[in-house]
Parts: sequence; C-alpha cells; structure tokens
Amino acid sequence: DTQMSQSPTSLSASVGDRVTITCRATQDITHYLAWYQQRPGRVPKLLIYGASTLQSGVPSRFSGSGSGTYFTLTISSLQPEDVATYYCQKYNSVPGSFGQGTRLEIK
Amino acid sequence: QVQLQESGPGLVKPSETLSLTCLVSDFSITSGFHWGWIRQPPGKGLEWIGSIYHSGITYYNPSLKRRVTISVDTSKNQISLNLSSVTAADTAVYYCARQRYSSGCIDYWGQGPLVTVSS
Repeated sequence: DTQMSQSPTSLSASVGDRVTITCRATQDITHYLAWYQQRPGRVPKLLIYGASTLQSGVPSRFSGSGSGTYFTLTISSLQPEDVATYYCQKYNSVPGSFGQGTRLEIK
Repeated sequence: QVQLQESGPGLVKPSETLSLTCLVSDFSITSGFHWGWIRQPPGKGLEWIGSIYHSGITYYNPSLKRRVTISVDTSKNQISLNLSSVTAADTAVYYCARQRYSSGCIDYWGQGPLVTVSS
C-alpha cells in the first residue's frame, strides 16, 4: 500500500504568517490528493482536492500544489480561525490513506 | 445540503460486532457518489475504513477487510457498517461520509458518534 506522511507534525506561527505543510506519498498518486481541516472538536472539512483545486466556500488564502509524490498546502496569511489539524488523503486507489496530521497553532 | 446522520450503540463489548447506520438526507444515494466510513480514535488521526456504491460494489481497507462489511439500503437511503470481533483498539469516532471517489475525496461528513469497546 502507498503510505502518506506529513511534515511537520506540529507547528506554531503568528497571525499573518505564510504557512506551508508538506505531504509525501511513497508511490506516485498523480493528482489524487485531498487536504482537510479539522478544527478542535469538529468534523473534518474538505479544503483542497485534485491536489490544487479549492473546494467551494474555502477562503482563497488556502492553496495546494504538487503532483506525483510531493504535495504542499499553503496558507498565505494565517488567521486565528485556522488553528486546526490538517490532513492529506490519497484517493487514487484503495485504501484511501491519510497522513498522520499536522497540528497548527498560533504563537 | 447533504446531511448524514449516524446511529447505533455507543458501547460495544469486546469480541462482539459494532453496527452503525447512516441515514442520508436531502440527497439520493442512487444519484451517484460513493458512501463511506472513516474512523478516528480519541486524540489520533483519521483511518479510512471502506466505501460502497449504490449498486452494492464495496471497497475495503485491507487492514480491516476480514472484519468489515458495508451495505446499502437504497429504499431507506442509508448505508450500514458492521465491524466484527472488536477490541479496545476499535474505540473511535466513526464518521459516515460522501466520497467523490471510491477511496476518498470526502465532501460531506456526518457528526460521528464515539463508539467505545469495553466490557
């Protein structure tokens, strides 16, 4: 099975900072990569699909890039409401494995 | 707005079968998409369990395949999850979800009940 790994595991940044989270796959998944945001105590929310397509209603400060085995999620200007754990998920084939998550906090 | 509502026991004894049902509202299961289950142990990450298409075709995580059955009832617009021979490691929040693909890309999630495995 293809494994997904994220880095860093956690990070702390200031409001207004540019933040980047990385997701790597052990095999080529082309563009079949989604990013989710899970705020504390809440249900996960789809942010990005197809590696770089913004889900409807998601603020434009979120963006995704990459293909193959290397992907990034970028928040261009961090806001207080972005405090959450972020997960990547591959969906090119079964199983739809998730990364272990990246916890984002505000300094 | 698609709504998914899980229901089932919140407490299951070890070695027994965990059973959950997900009622889908404001969207017909037969209109397309895949319908899946994802779980999250307390304080931990997400694990994809499996999914089903309205035709009944199923897709399972190999790590759980021996113990998992997902079924669909189109007349009731709902899907179900059975996980057999549970242990404490199966304690988790279990989410029902609408998936754009058989293995993921989840655009709607249920609220996810916590199911505890304990005697």
